[in-house]
Amino acid sequence: RKEVEQDPGPFNVPEGATVAFNCTYSNSASQSFFWYRQDCRKEPKLLMSVYSSGNEDGRFTAQLNRASQYISLLIRDSKLSDSATYLCVVNLAGGTSYGKLTFGQGTILTVHP
Amino acid sequence: SQTIHQWPATLVQPVGSPLSLECTVEGTSNPNLYWYRQAAGRGLQLLFYSVGIGQISSEVPQNLSASRPQDRQFILSSKKLLLSDSGFYLCAWGGAAQYFGPGTRLTVL
Repeated sequence: RKEVEQDPGPFNVPEGATVAFNCTYSNSASQSFFWYRQDCRKEPKLLMSVYSSGNEDGRFTAQLNRASQYISLLIRDSKLSDSATYLCVVNLAGGTSYGKLTFGQGTILTVHP
Repeated sequence: SQTIHQWPATLVQPVGSPLSLECTVEGTSNPNLYWYRQAAGRGLQLLFYSVGIGQISSEVPQNLSASRPQDRQFILSSKKLLLSDSGFYLCAWGGAAQYFGPGTRLTVL
């Protein structure tokens, strides 16, 4: 079983659509959870951290269910600029401690006019 | 604010040649530093991390080595490149959340 598994995708949605990505992780000792965004041939960029209470940043909402070891990302009112690969990422470390990020394989999102 | 630099941006090297990739961070002191590799069509894999000058930990056995000669400088090296060393090399800094440099795209022919 992969340490972090994501929806296989790809997702191809029209502008204005709502799209949801799901992810599961295998190590229950994981402490930190993130969504990163990676544009073609670019470095991954931190989109948002994910907390058990759920958190929102504009059109993006992330949820964490520790009991189910499940992470989600919801994008509302999709824009063309949201087209990218979305990476689900977990870390055994928390805070400022060093730690190894474990990445999912990524889900490709294409938003079309 | 913190900034992370990597160079070169792209590199084409013959098999058996040496390698040196450099990463520097600005705007923070004593950062945790990391080297990741993303092979074509695959996920990111942690290669090395460092919590301080001269302190290097390796995650996977391989043809590469890392060094940290200064607080905010991290170097990835190889004495003899293999075809399988091709990939996108990313330096990062941080703790639980990590921030990546622009990367070096290495092609070994």
